[in-house]
Amino acid sequence: KNQVEQSPQSLIILEGKNCTLQCNYTVSPFSNLRWYKQDTGRGPVSLTIMTFSENTKSNGRYTATLDADTKQSSLHITASQLSDSASYICVVRFNSGGSNYKLTFGKGTLLTVNP
Amino acid sequence: DAGITQSPRYKITETGRQVTLMCHQTWSHSYMFWYRQDLGHGLRLIYYSAAADITDKGEVPDGYVVSRSKTENFPLTLESATRSQTSVYFCASSEGFAGPFPYNEQFFGPGTRLTVL
Repeated sequence: KNQVEQSPQSLIILEGKNCTLQCNYTVSPFSNLRWYKQDTGRGPVSLTIMTFSENTKSNGRYTATLDADTKQSSLHITASQLSDSASYICVVRFNSGGSNYKLTFGKGTLLTVNP
Repeated sequence: DAGITQSPRYKITETGRQVTLMCHQTWSHSYMFWYRQDLGHGLRLIYYSAAADITDKGEVPDGYVVSRSKTENFPLTLESATRSQTSVYFCASSEGFAGPFPYNEQFFGPGTRLTVL
């Protein structure tokens, strides 16, 4: 079954600290992996997308990594800010046959950054 | 304003009533999607549409009806609301879906919080 597992479920850190969120997937055949940030009461917003050939990609203080061999991705947040408090969702796109694609969403990691 | 909007943002209804959630996008994206988000679950696809007058079921379509007579609108109707349909509903759109990045990036609306009593 195509699944996406995220860990931890929730995380509390102090402002200025770094953190790493994990995403493991069993989805196959893999197309791409996207990390979304969802602020409370709002829709998800894409942070970064990883394709099969990419190992690392940065977007400001956010750095995503992908290991397609072990089917693992991580999102590293550097020098956290209060505005980083949000849910971070990992989404994997896979080919479901022919030209058809589907998305599998993780349940998200809820990050709280305290002053 | 450009973007994707949903209305209403909050709705309380009673079991058995019909409810329609609206979604409007100004980008002329071909694809539109409806998701529900519940605690303990990731976003789950209800229905999607590849173009006007073309819709297809997602993962959890039972109890929902959609239509798409115009490219920019994609309403979701709960024909007879049940308590299990209490959820936050998100509409999304993308320029493509089967195609390569960036055309397959989904843009989400702000959500509608629906409570069925």
